[in-house]
Amino acid sequence: QKEVEQDPGPLSVPEGAIVSLNCTYSNSAFQYFMWYRQYSRKGPELLMYTYSSGNKEDGRFTAQVDKSSKYISLFIRDSQPSDSATYLCAMLNQAGTALIFGKGTTLSVSS
Amino acid sequence: KAGVTQTPRYLIKTRGQQVTLSCSPISGHRSVSWYQQTPGQGLQFLFEYFSETQRNKGNFPGRFSGRQFSNSRSEMNVSTLELGDSALYLCASSWDGSYNSPLHFGNGTRLTVT
Repeated sequence: QKEVEQDPGPLSVPEGAIVSLNCTYSNSAFQYFMWYRQYSRKGPELLMYTYSSGNKEDGRFTAQVDKSSKYISLFIRDSQPSDSATYLCAMLNQAGTALIFGKGTTLSVSS
Repeated sequence: KAGVTQTPRYLIKTRGQQVTLSCSPISGHRSVSWYQQTPGQGLQFLFEYFSETQRNKGNFPGRFSGRQFSNSRSEMNVSTLELGDSALYLCASSWDGSYNSPLHFGNGTRLTVT
């Protein structure tokens, strides 16, 4: 079983839709959770960073962590064509020395 | 503030050759990490340098090595290239590499091995 699982998609939605992106993980020792966005031919860009279970909101983005289920989510409200990218979840490994990434979900928002 | 700069953007090499990739971190950042990104494996951690010392290392063979200079700039070297080394190599910098110091990535070097 991979440490971090993420559905690769692709996910296609119309402009204005609410998007839900998800990851599951296997190691209950993981404590720090991140979401990165990667545009084509670009490096990953940090979107959200959370530590505890619960929700964290930043503009149209909400990150949710459920440590009991080992499940994290990123919600995008009022999605825009500019949100079309690959979204990567990441978490700090047990030793705290490196990030472990999901393989990414490719999102396409059509106008 | 300038972001993380990686050079070159693209490289084509032949099996058996070696290659050196360069990374300039964000000014003031002292930790530099390297990741390999492939469609099959996603992003995988190679190593991290802090104050010119390799502090952490991922599960890659010894053909992959790196170093960091006193100005925090870093280089990564891959010797005896194999076809499977074709990937996007990403450099990321952070203030001190701690858990609350987010990683900022460059746009990567696309390496193709033929």
